[in-house]
Amino acid sequence: NAGVTQTPKFRVLKTGQSMTLLCAQDMNHEYMYWYRQDPGMGLRLIHYSVGEGTTAKGEVPDGYNVSRLKKQNFLLGLESAAPSQTSVYFCASSLRPDNEQFFGPGTRLTVL
Amino acid sequence: AQSVTQPDIHITVSEGASLELRCNYSYGATPYLFWYVQSPGQGLQLLLKYFSGDTLVQGIKGFEAEFKRSQSSFNLRKPSVHWSDAAEYFCALFTSGTYKYIFGTGTRLKVLA
Repeated sequence: NAGVTQTPKFRVLKTGQSMTLLCAQDMNHEYMYWYRQDPGMGLRLIHYSVGEGTTAKGEVPDGYNVSRLKKQNFLLGLESAAPSQTSVYFCASSLRPDNEQFFGPGTRLTVL
Repeated sequence: AQSVTQPDIHITVSEGASLELRCNYSYGATPYLFWYVQSPGQGLQLLLKYFSGDTLVQGIKGFEAEFKRSQSSFNLRKPSVHWSDAAEYFCALFTSGTYKYIFGTGTRLKVLA
């Protein structure tokens, strides 16, 4: 099992550009999450999904959109990137919301 | 409001010394608590979790944590630290009301040889 994988690992964008981050899990988990990690702020939840076709806002959703068209995939989109979105993005999944979350290796995004 | 506080941003210990990382939480109901470890350039990995029952929880890599309701704490301990334990450690609280995790800001551990 690959667990949780994220694509790409690194990306540099210019302000205003768009991109999509892909998260895939092979554990048949219902719940999937997108976090951003910034120095001194821990992990903050951007959006999450409780199942295929459903998404919900987390703590810091502004400037991001998500889609969960297939159970195993959770996409995070930035329509118009801003320097404030420079961060490390982590995807995670879990079988139930109170269970252990399994994390991907992260995507380091720099917006110039 | 629910919250998780890790008061120590950085901790440095010598290899072989004991370790205690502090975690305090604020939550009105029975908490589900977790400790995760993040090695450099990696995602987070679960060390241990507390749901109910025995307040002393054993985890992987020789770590343990003690839940103290009276102090709203869930401190992580290890009796003898190894150089490979150098990493960042996150305490997390699952809130059944909102069905979400709340992470602390993390404690970065440095181990001196």
